[in-house]
Amino acid sequence: SQQGEEDPQALSIQEGENATMNCSYKTSINNLQWYRQNSGRGLVHLILIRSNEREKHSGRLRVTLDTSKKSSSLLITASRAADTASYFCATDADPGTASKLTFGTGTRLQVTL
Amino acid sequence: DAGVIQSPRHEVTEMGQEVTLRCKPISGHDYLFWYRQTMMRGLELLIYFNNNVPIDDSGMPEDRFSAKMPNASFSTLKIQPSEPRDSAVYFCASSLRTGGYNSPLHFGNGTRLTVT
Repeated sequence: SQQGEEDPQALSIQEGENATMNCSYKTSINNLQWYRQNSGRGLVHLILIRSNEREKHSGRLRVTLDTSKKSSSLLITASRAADTASYFCATDADPGTASKLTFGTGTRLQVTL
Repeated sequence: DAGVIQSPRHEVTEMGQEVTLRCKPISGHDYLFWYRQTMMRGLELLIYFNNNVPIDDSGMPEDRFSAKMPNASFSTLKIQPSEPRDSAVYFCASSLRTGGYNSPLHFGNGTRLTVT
């Protein structure tokens, strides 16, 4: 079963607007990662947040983590057409091994001009 | 660095045929993962290796699937015999675990497999 579930499944916004995607997971984690996938390509790592962190920034990306609610959010500010892609959260499903990553179902983001 | 290299990019085969997917991880990475992506099931971890040794193959669907990593720079995923339900995009990824935490995964561009 999926460890992470993204919400919404699909999001359509205009260029310049902010996009927020949410991820919920089920078990305790060591860290949570966000990835982007462009059509027909492999996933690309965006940002990693550790379980003892609450917020992290990278350029136009802002990630929050609430371990008490087992949830995370990814905010993309001032979106661009090039941000059109699917976005996945990933967690280490078995903290004992800390090596296996389980991916969520993804959010498809469409940014229009 | 060239990144993770997968071949072929596309594979079309008939049911019952043997299929071999290939992966070259990033040099120096000590973890290699095989994932499968479908619309219905999303991204599924099939198997992963650490220092060329299979660590967890619990995601391998059945005995028709096998994976090997004969050296640090090469891995194969074999399906024999192939079935239409194996149609999917297969991704290889590699990573370097440091400090006791997962490092990010670096994905190849995948092999799109179609079994008719």
